Amino acid sequence: GIQVEQSPPDLILQEGANSTLRCNFSDSVNNLQWFHQNPWGQLINLFYIPSGTKQNGRLSATTVATERYSLLYISSSQTTDSGVYFCAVRGAGSYQLTFGKGTKLSVIP
Amino acid sequence: NAGVTQTPKFQVLKTGQSMTLQCAQDMNHEYMSWYRQDPGMGLRLIHYSVGAGITDQGEVPNGYNVSRSTTEDFPLRLLSAAPSQTSVYFCASSGLAGFNEQFFGPGTRLTVL
Repeated sequence: GIQVEQSPPDLILQEGANSTLRCNFSDSVNNLQWFHQNPWGQLINLFYIPSGTKQNGRLSATTVATERYSLLYISSSQTTDSGVYFCAVRGAGSYQLTFGKGTKLSVIP
Repeated sequence: NAGVTQTPKFQVLKTGQSMTLQCAQDMNHEYMSWYRQDPGMGLRLIHYSVGAGITDQGEVPNGYNVSRSTTEDFPLRLLSAAPSQTSVYFCASSGLAGFNEQFFGPGTRLTVL
């Protein structure tokens, strides 16, 4: 099946700093999503982005499908950004959403 | 819209007991699925369904049963709980074609003693 790798596994930021999270995948995809799992365990949809670039406030994402990677940018980080960020993909011809192991982000005041 | 709902939020079972985790969605989505999340790991697919009467296995199906009698509901059954099934369970749904963003429920935290 399709493989998803996320980097870095852990990230500690000072409040106000910027960061880039990366997601590499091993095959063609027809769905790529970024999620934020907050400290209470809730999975929050950030972006549905199988290709192209999207922005939502301080967050933006870019997927380069031909090169099989996606990037999540967080600018001016806040303590509420802490949690685990997951990338998940659905391969072409598949119904299954395959998750990476996540990037754990800690934003300190 | 309530989105995807799950009950219960928490459950403690003894080894060998059975139970059903409930999942419902009100978005008329064809696709529904169950995942489990273990510490330090991403979500792994247990079972999924592409419509009423149609189910299939995911990555980790052993010990779990599912059925889909309606579009809205997709219960997950543990027939004989084992400590290895201690986990957080998430239900998700999406459309099938085109724009198929997946939405997740709040999760059920299950402990098997």
